[in-house]
Amino acid sequence: AQSVTQLDSHVSVSEGTPVLLRCNYSSSYSPSLFWYVQHPNKGLQLLLKYTSAATLVKGINGFEAEFKKSETSFHLTKPSAHMSDAAEYFCVVTTTGGFKTIFGAGTRLFVKA
Amino acid sequence: GAGVSQSPRYKVAKRGQDVALRCDPISGHVSLFWYQQALGQGPEFLTYFQNEAQLDKSGLPSDRFFAERPEGSVSTLKIQRTQQEDSAVYLCASSFLGEYEQYFGPGTRLTVT
Repeated sequence: AQSVTQLDSHVSVSEGTPVLLRCNYSSSYSPSLFWYVQHPNKGLQLLLKYTSAATLVKGINGFEAEFKKSETSFHLTKPSAHMSDAAEYFCVVTTTGGFKTIFGAGTRLFVKA
Repeated sequence: GAGVSQSPRYKVAKRGQDVALRCDPISGHVSLFWYQQALGQGPEFLTYFQNEAQLDKSGLPSDRFFAERPEGSVSTLKIQRTQQEDSAVYLCASSFLGEYEQYFGPGTRLTVT
């Protein structure tokens, strides 16, 4: 069975400081992993994806994530937070074939001026 | 081009009523997904279509939930005899076959009173 655990329900950072959103996964085989962002009153948008190529994945808006198999982690980072980054972030795992999709509970990112 | 559209955007139903939620995927997208997102939670997988074939319906919470995609394009999620616990945002997503990125619609917010 697959599962995703987002370790923080809320993260608060100051503008210009680094962002770290933590995600651990459980999968019986090589997973495909994703981060999606959901801004208030907007649809879910893909930030980045890992599908067994490079372990360090770069996404949109300066975000990146590193797949660490030994730690079963896929943490999302950004060197410098911007006010517009304030949103809900979801870590996601899919089955091989890409249809059974499991979302984490989400991490709400707050960015202080 | 047009993204995934869903209608209605908001639906209020009295307990016991039947509702039908519509999803128009992106043209050419073979894969179509339905999710249920309760307040403060991550989306939960309901069902998956590949063209008109419903390949996975393991996430449908009860036999009151039914989804169809008869011509392989538009999909309808039907909920019979709605209950208060059905109140949630219902999300639809579509993708190309074999492409992991899912494109999400804005969702239908269902409130059962």
